[in-house]
Amino acid sequence: NAGVTQTPKFQVLKTGQSMTLQCAQDMNHNSMYWYRQDPGMGLRLIYYSASEGTTDKGEVPNGYNVSRLNKREFSLRLESAAPSQTSVYFCATVQEYNSPLHFGNGTRLTVT
Amino acid sequence: AQSVTQPDIHITVSEGASLELRCNYSYGATPYLFWYVQSPGQGLQLLLKYFSGDTLVQGIKGFEAEFKRSQSSFNLRKPSVHWSDAAEYFCAVGVRRGSQGNLIFGKGTKLSVKP
Repeated sequence: NAGVTQTPKFQVLKTGQSMTLQCAQDMNHNSMYWYRQDPGMGLRLIYYSASEGTTDKGEVPNGYNVSRLNKREFSLRLESAAPSQTSVYFCATVQEYNSPLHFGNGTRLTVT
Repeated sequence: AQSVTQPDIHITVSEGASLELRCNYSYGATPYLFWYVQSPGQGLQLLLKYFSGDTLVQGIKGFEAEFKRSQSSFNLRKPSVHWSDAAEYFCAVGVRRGSQGNLIFGKGTKLSVKP
């Protein structure tokens, strides 16, 4: 039982390059989230998907797009990476809103 | 607006000493409160949660937290800290968005443990 799987674990990009972070869950949860974590800032919500086929902006959506491909998968895309997007990105899932989140192990992204 | 404040950025305690990490929240409705722990290079792991009922909740690894509505607080405690407790701790409040919701996280408190 893998839980929440994020790929890749590490990535280095040059400014202006694009990439997609992948997240897959085998917990059959409805909701999926993308957070970014920066030192001293805690976790900030980028986008979330309450259910398959729906996505909504979170606190810091600028520069990102998402796709909820099916119930299992929720991807985060950076179309034109910027140094300000250097961060650790976490995917999380939850069955319903008052339940605990289950986190992946994160993707560490560096943009030079 | 909903928010979570963890006033202490970094705390150092001696192994075997007691620990209290502070958390204050701002939320208009009945809060759903959580404490998560993050070890270096890892994702976040749930320590405990409060939904309703008994205001003192027990979690994993010997941690407990007390919900105090009058103080809008949900402080995390442990009577005797172990070196393996060194990590970063995040308090979070669950907020509703339609039929779903989201967690608002505090900025975290880093715990260091002295031998």
